[in-house]
Amino acid sequence: DTAVSQTPKYLVTQMGNDKSIKCEQNLGHDTMYWYKQDSKKFLKIMFSYNNKELIINETVPNRFSPKSPDKAHLNLHINSLELGDSAVYFCASSDSRNFYGYTFGSGTRLTVV
Amino acid sequence: AQKITQTQPGMFVQEKEAVTLDCTYDTSDPSYGLFWYKQPSSGEMIFLIYQGSYDQQNATEGRYSLNFQKARKSANLVISASQLGDSAMYFCAMRTYGGYQKVTFGIGTKLQVIP
Repeated sequence: DTAVSQTPKYLVTQMGNDKSIKCEQNLGHDTMYWYKQDSKKFLKIMFSYNNKELIINETVPNRFSPKSPDKAHLNLHINSLELGDSAVYFCASSDSRNFYGYTFGSGTRLTVV
Repeated sequence: AQKITQTQPGMFVQEKEAVTLDCTYDTSDPSYGLFWYKQPSSGEMIFLIYQGSYDQQNATEGRYSLNFQKARKSANLVISASQLGDSAMYFCAMRTYGGYQKVTFGIGTKLQVIP
């Protein structure tokens, strides 16, 4: 049973397209996140939701729109993809009442051509 | 603002030897948590160890220990008896408790274990 699952694992798409990445966690956590890891391996937070409420929204182009239908799901939709969006996107979750770190998904490698 | 600094972009260690990966941090929040994550070449992020700012003892998890020196604001990871499978990127990270559960990561250290 995968704790935090992301789909797809790989995504290759052309510039200008719109794509979505889905994330689901079965840990009962109340907080979920999207992180972007660039080609130099730097991890930067993008968004965080707590019980479906957006609580962290870093400086991210508004082409990126997160959606959390319930506290177990957090999806990321990207409009008008650009070459610079190529990266690995990680979903993560945590329990705000007992925080000892994140549980990460396996990542989605997005390549924009 | 919180900041994590990892000054070793790459490290080599002989198999079975111990290795220390450096991490310093900066925060004005008195309450915070420090983490280390491992990212092997397969790409997944694996939680290794956690240290709270008020913990009296250094955290240990199997072959991993965290050398926490609060006055120096350092949280070095020590891996004892290195194994080939320890070759990976290692990220130091911090969360302060003054705001939401935002974890800030360092730029990572690439460790290579030599047989």
